Amino acid sequence: KQEVTQIPAALSVPEGENLVLNCSFTDSAIYNLQWFRQDPGKGLTSLLLIQSSQREQTSGRLNASLDKSSGRSTLYIAASQPGDSATYLCAVRADGDYQLIWGAGTKLIIKP
Amino acid sequence: DTAVSQTPKYLVTQMGNDKSIKCEQNLGHDTMYWYKQDSKKFLKIMFSYNNKELIINETVPNRFSPKSPDKAHLNLHINSLELGDSAVYFCASSPGLMRNQETQYFGPGTRLLVL
Repeated sequence: KQEVTQIPAALSVPEGENLVLNCSFTDSAIYNLQWFRQDPGKGLTSLLLIQSSQREQTSGRLNASLDKSSGRSTLYIAASQPGDSATYLCAVRADGDYQLIWGAGTKLIIKP
Repeated sequence: DTAVSQTPKYLVTQMGNDKSIKCEQNLGHDTMYWYKQDSKKFLKIMFSYNNKELIINETVPNRFSPKSPDKAHLNLHINSLELGDSAVYFCASSPGLMRNQETQYFGPGTRLLVL
């Protein structure tokens, strides 16, 4: 049974720093992995989707990597800004399945 | 224009009542989902419909019944509400299920509180 873990649960860094959020999964037979952000009281916004055959995806200051063999993905945020403060969630879709299995998220606070 | 909308945004009700939450997407997507986010912020899939056909039906009490009158709508009806049903319910949609169609777009959520 696939399990997705995100560590740390919370992270606070000063503005301008580069940072890495971690996601690990137990079953490497995945179809894709997605990163979302959730702002307080709001829905989720998709950030990046990495197919199982890909190693990384980039969008602006965000870069997500995928290492299936080790069951890990990282979300790198460059030059962090206060507007990046949110909860970041990682979700995995298994091969042969339609549903996403979600991590509990990392709550990120960027201090001005 | 809102892409995925849910009504109501807030719902406070008594135990034992029956309530419905509505979801509509104007993105032309084929697939829609209902998720429950509990107090610990874990997201769990409840149901998914693809072209009005139920494709995901997780272990959810049969008091919960989804209905998809057309591809743009997926409503959630809950009978005999219980305290444990209090949560935020999110609707989402995606273009489809195949590769490069899977990105999900979420509604703002419905905050349900059962007293």
